[in-house]
Amino acid sequence: DQQVKQNSPSLSVQEGRISILNCDYTNSMFDYFLWYKKYPAEGPTFLISISSIKDKNEDGRFTVFLNKSAKHLSLHIVPSQPGDSAVYFCAARFYGGSQGNLIFGKGTKLSVKP
Amino acid sequence: DVKVTQSSRYLVKRTGEKVFLECVQDMDHENMFWYRQDPGLGLRLIYFSYDVKMKEKGDIPEGYSVSREKKERFSLILESASTNQTSMYLCASSLWVAGSYNEQFFGPGTRLTVL
Repeated sequence: DQQVKQNSPSLSVQEGRISILNCDYTNSMFDYFLWYKKYPAEGPTFLISISSIKDKNEDGRFTVFLNKSAKHLSLHIVPSQPGDSAVYFCAARFYGGSQGNLIFGKGTKLSVKP
Repeated sequence: DVKVTQSSRYLVKRTGEKVFLECVQDMDHENMFWYRQDPGLGLRLIYFSYDVKMKEKGDIPEGYSVSREKKERFSLILESASTNQTSMYLCASSLWVAGSYNEQFFGPGTRLTVL
């Protein structure tokens, strides 16, 4: 049973517009959520995180929103740039879980068109 | 800068061969992880280790084993490679800090093809 779900396998956005990537989770014991970005033939790189006690975290063009009641988080990229084209993974950490294991979603492939 | 290195970027092996994938991190992290990434399946945890000589099974440990003899090195072993183990293999490491998000740092990946 998938605990972290990214229901959109792909998303296409025009350069300069907003990209919104969504993630749903089922386990209310998750206490941290992270977004990773992955280019082809490279390892994922950490992008931004949010604690379950917050509802928003911002870092430059990237903002993550958390809605605990809906068990939903989203990553907003504004403005989108062609270099943002990559696969984005949502990940969650289980509070008290074994040494910081992360549970990953299946990823959303973002294409930003010039 | 944290650096996680993997011994090979690309590897081609034959069915039945024993395969070793090596991972080294230089930041004195306690935790190390092996994942595989397949299209449509995301990142799936194979094994992880939270200390030298310690290991725990992840979600898909079948057909794999691991070794952690030194803190900086975590090896993934395919005892007898099969074609369904053709995949991108990713190693990661992290600190364990209570109350923190324990960001995992990933290596560049090894693209393994089993013929």
